Parts: sequence; C-alpha cells; structure tokens
Amino acid sequence: QVQLKETGPDLVQLTQTLSITCTVSGFSLTTYNVHWVRQPPGKGLEWMGAMWNGGGTDYNSAFKSRLSISRDTSKSQVFLKMNSLQTEDTAKYFCAAHRYNRDYWGQGVMVTVSS
Amino acid sequence: DIQMTQSPSFLSASVGDRVTINCKASQNINKYLNWYQQKLGEAPKLLIYNTNNLQTGIPSRFSGSGSGTDYTLTISSLQPEDVATYFCLQHSSRRTFGGGTKLELK
Repeated sequence: QVQLKETGPDLVQLTQTLSITCTVSGFSLTTYNVHWVRQPPGKGLEWMGAMWNGGGTDYNSAFKSRLSISRDTSKSQVFLKMNSLQTEDTAKYFCAAHRYNRDYWGQGVMVTVSS
Repeated sequence: DIQMTQSPSFLSASVGDRVTINCKASQNINKYLNWYQQKLGEAPKLLIYNTNNLQTGIPSRFSGSGSGTDYTLTISSLQPEDVATYFCLQHSSRRTFGGGTKLELK
C-alpha cells in the first residue's frame, strides 16, 4: 500500500527556513519520482520541484534560488528546504509520487509564515 | 517555463449538463497533459493522464482531448459528486498547473 506523509512545522518565522520531510512507504524512491507542490489558502496548485528516481532534481524557476530538494533512500524520505520565507509562502505543502499513470499524494502539511 | 492558462475559472452547471474545461499551453506540450480533481480539504486526484487516458477507477463520464497547445476536459453528464476544483498539469517540460476551475451546481 503506497503512502506518503509530510511532516514539518505549523509555523515558521518571517525570513527563516522551512524544512519538510516526506516519508514514503509501499514503493522505492529509486522507481518513483517525487514532487513537491504547494497550495496557498483558497488558491491554486503550484509545482515547486522534483526529486527524480535517478537522484537528480529539478526546480520551478520561481523558487530556484531558495529551494533545495534532497533524499535519503535508506530511510525512504525526501526533504524540502526553502529559505528566506515570506508571508506569501503560507500554504499547504504536498509531496506526490509519480510513475507513468501511478500517482499518489500525501495529505499535505499547512505551514503559516508569521512575522 | 511553460505557462498554462485554464478557463473558465468558475463554472456553474446543472446535474446532467455537459461540462467542458479548457487549458491552453504557452507552447506545444505534445499531449503531456493531465487533469486532476480536488475536493475541499483533500489532495488532488488524477482523472486523466496524457490528454485522453482515463485513470483506473474514474467514471467514464470524464474524458479528455486535445493536442499541441489546446486541451479539454469534458464531463458528459454532471453528477453532484463532481462538485470540485479541476486543474490541468503539463509535464512536457518540468511541471506547470493551470489556475483551476471551480465547478459548482446551479
């Protein structure tokens, strides 16, 4: 059974760094691509970046300078780290795994950036 | 980066209506276009992949079409459970979501 679960802080201070962990089960990170997607309250979905199954990464150019995605395959975890947080970064952050038509999402973690 | 323009942003329709939602890419995306349904408080759910392939378990009233830069999601006969927000996603080059279409019952 494929599962993804995001864990991270509820609240982050302005200009600080956000760290979220996506822990997966039921598949290997070496066979699925894992994406990070965020959704501000009441707004649409925004693709942030991906950890490809081969270990490479790709980023939305809107975030490239402050976003980092990494993984630990032995722990089945993918990590998102984003610095210099602003109030507009308040959003629900999802990780999602994709391979061909196999598409699985975590429940998301809501992060509020506070001054 | 590829931009996706989705329309309309809001749609009100009656049960049984045929509903169409459109996405236009800023360049040719070679049918690498998925459609998602998102209900309030839930994660998105894949409906259609690669333009016209129905995901397993999705009712056949959902269909997709398109090519080049223009793509359409069609619900042939709207059901109450279809009330949701719908997003397109291009995966030809990195990923880009459309802005979403909120579908409500009239």
